Amino acid sequence: DTAVSQTPKYLVTQMGNDKSIKCEQNLGHDTMYWYKQDSKKFLKIMFSYNNKELIINETVPNRFSPKSPDKAHLNLHINSLELGDSAVYFCASESVGGRNTQYFGPGTRLTVL
Amino acid sequence: AQSVTQLDSQVPVFEEAPVELRCNYSSSVSVYLFWYVQYPNQGLQLLLKYLSGSTLVESINGFEAEFNKSQTSFHLRKPSVHISDTAEYFCAVSFQGGKLIFGQGTELSVKP
Repeated sequence: DTAVSQTPKYLVTQMGNDKSIKCEQNLGHDTMYWYKQDSKKFLKIMFSYNNKELIINETVPNRFSPKSPDKAHLNLHINSLELGDSAVYFCASESVGGRNTQYFGPGTRLTVL
Repeated sequence: AQSVTQLDSQVPVFEEAPVELRCNYSSSVSVYLFWYVQYPNQGLQLLLKYLSGSTLVESINGFEAEFNKSQTSFHLRKPSVHISDTAEYFCAVSFQGGKLIFGQGTELSVKP
């Protein structure tokens, strides 16, 4: 069974559209994250949720809105997509206390045309 | 501000040669240290981590890293690499849990 899963794996869309990426973890973890990997492979934190509550928002444009319906899911909705949003988006989860490993999903490659 | 620097963006080596991927960090507080590996078109997998205790940590596939507090380094080493080790390697820190701050990545390319 996949520990952290993301859908879709690939997403190609036009500028100005709204799209969502879904993330689910079956590890029983309390904390989930979204990271963005740019074209130079640099990884940066975007958001973190702990038990459905937002705890980190790293100055991400408000076109990005994470939603956590329950602690096993953290979805990312993006409004008015721009060319610069093209990247690979990774979801990750971590057990409470933060001492443990973050487990990453396979990534969603978003291409904005 | 906390930061992570991977000193080499690309490391080409021949198969069965030793390799060292360098990582330095900047922090005024205690940190947890990680190495993640990303194979082509895949997500990140944990390779090894240092939380506390012994400063030398090992992975199941022959990699090891040593935490050096005085030099604020966490270099990754393997005595003999395989073609299958070709991947992007990321050093990361977290400050007693929470978000990971990643280095820029090192592309390890193992040639026959």
